[in-house]
Amino acid sequence: GAVVSQHPSWVICKSGTSVKIECRSLDFQATTMFWYRQFPKQSLMLMATSNEGSKATYEQGVEKDKFLINHASLTLSTLTVTSAHPEDSSFYICSASRGDNEKLFFGSGTQLSVL
Amino acid sequence: GENVEQHPSTLSVQEGDSAVIKCTYSDSASNYFPWYKQELGKGPQLIIDIRSNVGEKKDQRIAVTLNKTAKHFSLHITETQPEDSAVYFCAAKDFGNEKLTFGTGTRLTIIP
Repeated sequence: GAVVSQHPSWVICKSGTSVKIECRSLDFQATTMFWYRQFPKQSLMLMATSNEGSKATYEQGVEKDKFLINHASLTLSTLTVTSAHPEDSSFYICSASRGDNEKLFFGSGTQLSVL
Repeated sequence: GENVEQHPSTLSVQEGDSAVIKCTYSDSASNYFPWYKQELGKGPQLIIDIRSNVGEKKDQRIAVTLNKTAKHFSLHITETQPEDSAVYFCAAKDFGNEKLTFGTGTRLTIIP
């Protein structure tokens, strides 16, 4: 099957520091990757769409300078939360599409806690 | 844009009984409808999906039905087991669109 690996699974950091989250497609090439944010007991909120080799497309209200996305290869996308603050604490999830424009496979998520 | 509504928000079912979760969508152009299961602290896992050219799809204890005219689709889980307890999300998208629109989720609890 299609496996998406996300690391780290959880991270605790001090306010003002930056945190990088990696998302890898292990057994397929992901032409498109998506980053979501999920608050407790809520649905997934799409933050941005990234295509390999091009700039990410951010959803309305998502600060592109705060949430840096890099999709340098067909198997790796990274999300960097810059100058993190307590309000950035959340569950971040990535997903990847194989390019058939249909099925999406999700990573295991990263719980970010900013102190 | 697409809007997906999901009901109920919580559902408790006796082990062995069936569970049904319903979703409605607004965009008639949507033609792909996946269902995801999310366990606590984990990412969503695709459990079944259906395309608009099919009215029903079944995979062991899980089935999905689609009514394009009414723009609603449902997830059916039969012979429920404790490990079915999780949050379930429906979603919809147009084949030409990269983005999935998610429902608000249903927390399913199976009572032993």
